Amino acid sequence: DGGITQSPKYLFRKEGQNVTLSCEQNLNHDAMYWYRQDPGQGLRLIYYSQIVNDFQKGDIAEGYSVSREKKESFPLTVTSAQKNPTAFYLCASSIGTSGVGQPQHFGDGTRLSIL
Amino acid sequence: AQSVTQLDSQVPVFEEAPVELRCNYSSSVSVYLFWYVQYPNQGLQLLLKYLSGSTLVKGINGFEAEFNKSQTSFHLRKPSVHISDTAEYFCAVSVQRKLIWGLGTSLAVNP
Repeated sequence: DGGITQSPKYLFRKEGQNVTLSCEQNLNHDAMYWYRQDPGQGLRLIYYSQIVNDFQKGDIAEGYSVSREKKESFPLTVTSAQKNPTAFYLCASSIGTSGVGQPQHFGDGTRLSIL
Repeated sequence: AQSVTQLDSQVPVFEEAPVELRCNYSSSVSVYLFWYVQYPNQGLQLLLKYLSGSTLVKGINGFEAEFNKSQTSFHLRKPSVHISDTAEYFCAVSVQRKLIWGLGTSLAVNP
């Protein structure tokens, strides 16, 4: 079955460490997105990519980085510059490069915690 | 600027009762609207979408929503809820290449 796979489901990070969250999709979608979810704050967009080798900052990109070297993969790195990284991270994808009117499909998320 | 307001952060309801989750949006352009559901520690699942055409949209799990352009609303309804409907519900509007999200409504269905 097609879908979005996020791994790992739970991740722990020590202070000062970078950590990379994996997101892989086999839906043949062009667009991919990373969101951060905190209690009571809904979903906030970190980065998005409409096409391979191109990506744009979302609303809260500081302290994060991404790459889009393959259509099916969009990893997110949480750097040591992100001062409050504890959150639930969601990856999504959608058909086509415009994104207008296209629903997004979500993975099951990665919960990141600071040790 | 476009925005989405979910008018209730929490909605408690008894099993088999009807429920309405309210969503208002602001947008100066044509809108595409969505409702998603999120169960604990999971991703979001699309319930239904409005792109054009009939203003009454039917989705999965017996949910439906009505697009009201004059009131800029897109309220979600279900005539009879089950315990299994307990979840977080999000309203979203598509703007250019992104989705603008509401803060969510927590639906708690009690026996």
